[in-house]
Amino acid sequence: AQSVTQLDSQVPVFEEAPVELRCNYSSSVSVYLFWYVQYPNQGLQLLLKYLSGSTLVESINGFEAEFNKSQTSFHLRKPSVHISDTAEYFCAVSEGGSARQLTFGSGTQLTVLP
Amino acid sequence: EAQVTQNPRYLITVTGKKLTVTCSQNMNHEYMSWYRQDPGLGLRQIYYSMNVEVTDKGDVPEGYKVSRKEKRNFPLILESPSPNQTSLYFCASSLSWSLGNTEAFFGQGTRLTVV
Repeated sequence: AQSVTQLDSQVPVFEEAPVELRCNYSSSVSVYLFWYVQYPNQGLQLLLKYLSGSTLVESINGFEAEFNKSQTSFHLRKPSVHISDTAEYFCAVSEGGSARQLTFGSGTQLTVLP
Repeated sequence: EAQVTQNPRYLITVTGKKLTVTCSQNMNHEYMSWYRQDPGLGLRQIYYSMNVEVTDKGDVPEGYKVSRKEKRNFPLILESPSPNQTSLYFCASSLSWSLGNTEAFFGQGTRLTVV
């Protein structure tokens, strides 16, 4: 069965600093990998996803994540964060052939400080 | 506008009083599901439905029921709510169960408090 571990529950960072949110997964089959973002009092929005092909995927607002199969990781990075990036970020995995669709990590609260 | 709509957004109820949280999508999606979000636990799937009249248990189905009589609607029913069902609930839908060629869309959430 698949599982997702987000190692940091809280990540405070100053504005314009780089950030990395860590995600590791376990699965015995091929997977799709996702990062979702949840702004206060809102639902989840898809930030980026890895399905196949290039292991580096990017979002429109400057985030990127790299799929590392040997380390079973899918860390999220941004070289320079803004106040507006303050949100909770969830890593999720979808296991090939599983109708349960998505397994989520416990979430990382990113707080960008002025 | 393509969306997943949940109602109500906020609900406070008493132990044992049956309640229903509605979920509706306007995208003709086949797959719908319910999650609950609890601090430190992320989102956990309660039930899912692959199509009309086809539902199955997720990871935490105890104390919940669902039905899928129409493609667009997927209500979550708590027959006898208990305080441990106090949580933030999300409905999601996607074109199919496989996310290889589609995306999961989430509702705005329903914050339920059972006292």
